[in-house]
Amino acid sequence: RKEVEQDPGPFNVPEGATVAFNCTYSNSASQSFFWYRQDCRKEPKLLMSVYSSGNEDGRFTAQLNRASQYISLLIRDSKLSDSATYLCVVNADSWGKFQFGAGTQVVVTP
Amino acid sequence: DAGVIQSPRHEVTEMGQEVTLRCKPISGHDYLFWYRQTMMRGLELLIYFNNNVPIDDSGMPEDRFSAKMPNASFSTLKIQPSEPRDSAVYFCASSLGGQGEKLLFGSGTQLSVL
Repeated sequence: RKEVEQDPGPFNVPEGATVAFNCTYSNSASQSFFWYRQDCRKEPKLLMSVYSSGNEDGRFTAQLNRASQYISLLIRDSKLSDSATYLCVVNADSWGKFQFGAGTQVVVTP
Repeated sequence: DAGVIQSPRHEVTEMGQEVTLRCKPISGHDYLFWYRQTMMRGLELLIYFNNNVPIDDSGMPEDRFSAKMPNASFSTLKIQPSEPRDSAVYFCASSLGGQGEKLLFGSGTQLSVL
């Protein structure tokens, strides 16, 4: 079983709609969680950190559910520019052992 | 800040040749990471350093791969001899380190081994 699992998608989303997807992790000792965004042929870029209480950054909302060991990302009012692959990142048992999910592809259509 | 700088951006080489990838981390960042990304396996951690010392190299595929960090501002990843299955995008990332600290990536090196 992979340590970090994501639905690969693609999630086809009409512009202006809301899309949400999850990421599950296997190591209950994980401490830090992030969502990264990766555009085709580009490097991953930090979208947002995920805090225990949940957090919001503009149209993006991240949640952490430790009991069920998953994090989620919700995108409201989707823009064409939101089309990308979203990578779930979990810092496993020791700092530095960042585990990346395979990514969820989001395609926002006009 | 210029960010994490990697070179070259693209490398095409023939099987059996030595390949050296270079990385300059963000100034002040104590941690440096080397990742490899392929369609089949996604992003894989190869090795990471703290204060120039290798901490975990369990992701290095085999003895053909080696990484060094001679000082705080420079690291290399070497493949000798290279094989076609090494073809991938190699990313370097750096971080301040500590809980909650994020990774910042360089633009990557696209390696093609023919």
